[in-house]
Amino acid sequence: SAVISQKPSRDICQRGTSLTIQCQVDSQVTMMFWYRQQPGQSLTLIATANQGSEATYESGFVIDKFPISRPNLTFSTLTVSNMSPEDSSIYLCSVGGTGGLFGEQYFGPGTRLTVT
Amino acid sequence: KQEVTQIPAALSVPEGENLVLNCSFTDSAIYNLQWFRQDPGKGLTSLLLIQSSQREQTSGRLNASLDKSSGRSTLYIAASQPGDSATYLCAVPNFGNEKLTFGTGTRLTIIP
Repeated sequence: SAVISQKPSRDICQRGTSLTIQCQVDSQVTMMFWYRQQPGQSLTLIATANQGSEATYESGFVIDKFPISRPNLTFSTLTVSNMSPEDSSIYLCSVGGTGGLFGEQYFGPGTRLTVT
Repeated sequence: KQEVTQIPAALSVPEGENLVLNCSFTDSAIYNLQWFRQDPGKGLTSLLLIQSSQREQTSGRLNASLDKSSGRSTLYIAASQPGDSATYLCAVPNFGNEKLTFGTGTRLTIIP
């Protein structure tokens, strides 16, 4: 299994500002994922963070709004830029286990963001 | 495109009862299916992973079944307890990669 931590756990931010969320894993992993969960909704994948290359974004998400860094195999950051109240969500990072395509995925505790 | 649906959206049962949560998916070409639990405002806790070649997987009071051909999975919770109150999510990885498609979730309330 993998143990994942996220910082901050929650934040209240003003419209127009940016917030960077950190995700730290206790072991080296190839792929890390960033998800968004809007209030009352299920999880939606934002992007896949690849070490040594640009992140791969899902439809509807762009790098200018959600820049991602992946400097090594245990760490990634997601920035939510130029925030609006619609960005109020829980942001979660996840990693796959050693089973690859057939393995379990593990999630961090999430960052609860409120934009006023 | 894979779509995952969970029924019911919400469920309330008295403590001690057995219950079943349902998960349906449209594309049967899956590697596995994972059940998660989410407490309010929190992250996800993995409960069970069931491989496409398996029909059942058990952990304590939880039992997950998978019928890949019909695109269905169930999560059976025995002897429910108030601590089981949470939202339960099922998810399947997209074919060829590890990206997960999540179900809509079932919010479970166990009444003491």
